[in-house]
Amino acid sequence: DGGITQSPKYLFRKEGQNVTLSCEQNLNHDAMYWYRQDPGQGLRLIYYSQIVNDFQKGDIAEGYSVSREKKESFPLTVTSAQKNPTAFYLCATATGNDYEQYFGPGTRLTVT
Amino acid sequence: AQTVTQSQPEMSVQEAETVTLSCTYDTSENNYYLFWYKQPPSRQMILVIRQEAYKQQNATENRFSVNFQKAAKSFSLKISDSQLGDTAMYFCALTPYNQGGKLIFGQGTELSVKP
Repeated sequence: DGGITQSPKYLFRKEGQNVTLSCEQNLNHDAMYWYRQDPGQGLRLIYYSQIVNDFQKGDIAEGYSVSREKKESFPLTVTSAQKNPTAFYLCATATGNDYEQYFGPGTRLTVT
Repeated sequence: AQTVTQSQPEMSVQEAETVTLSCTYDTSENNYYLFWYKQPPSRQMILVIRQEAYKQQNATENRFSVNFQKAAKSFSLKISDSQLGDTAMYFCALTPYNQGGKLIFGQGTELSVKP
């Protein structure tokens, strides 16, 4: 059953702690993306990767880090340097041929 | 800078009626894709329809159609015969060719379909 998995669905952390959000796909898509969604706003791009072992910053990369060691996985680390980490985080993939992106179910991160 | 603007934060429509959601965008690129995504209360993002900028013909998908005006940089979504399941946030998005597939989103329009 092909798809994108994000775990966990809800995540709670104390301020000052780093936290890693998981994104796994079995669609064999080359490109992967991380977006952040805040209330009343559209999605904003954090990082993206078009190929294994390569990634680029998006519009709001400060306070975040990623890795792309495997095609199937693109984890996002929210570091303590991120000023307002509480948000809904969405992972997406794309084939690179038609620019259509497929989204995971998202992770709601709450930092207190 | 590339931007997407949705000027209607909220809209409502009666079941079975037709509604149009507005979207304008700005880009200096000549080749790009435009999308409408739907986000129901489950928060799962679902592609509704897409349009390639070089195609003059407006895209249609069943009850969903777009009015693409390239010169005016306008990309509205028309939903015909609205159904209760159409209740959701709708996002307009832009991605230029050869920029890594990055999507630039509008702020969204919250659509409520009333019985």
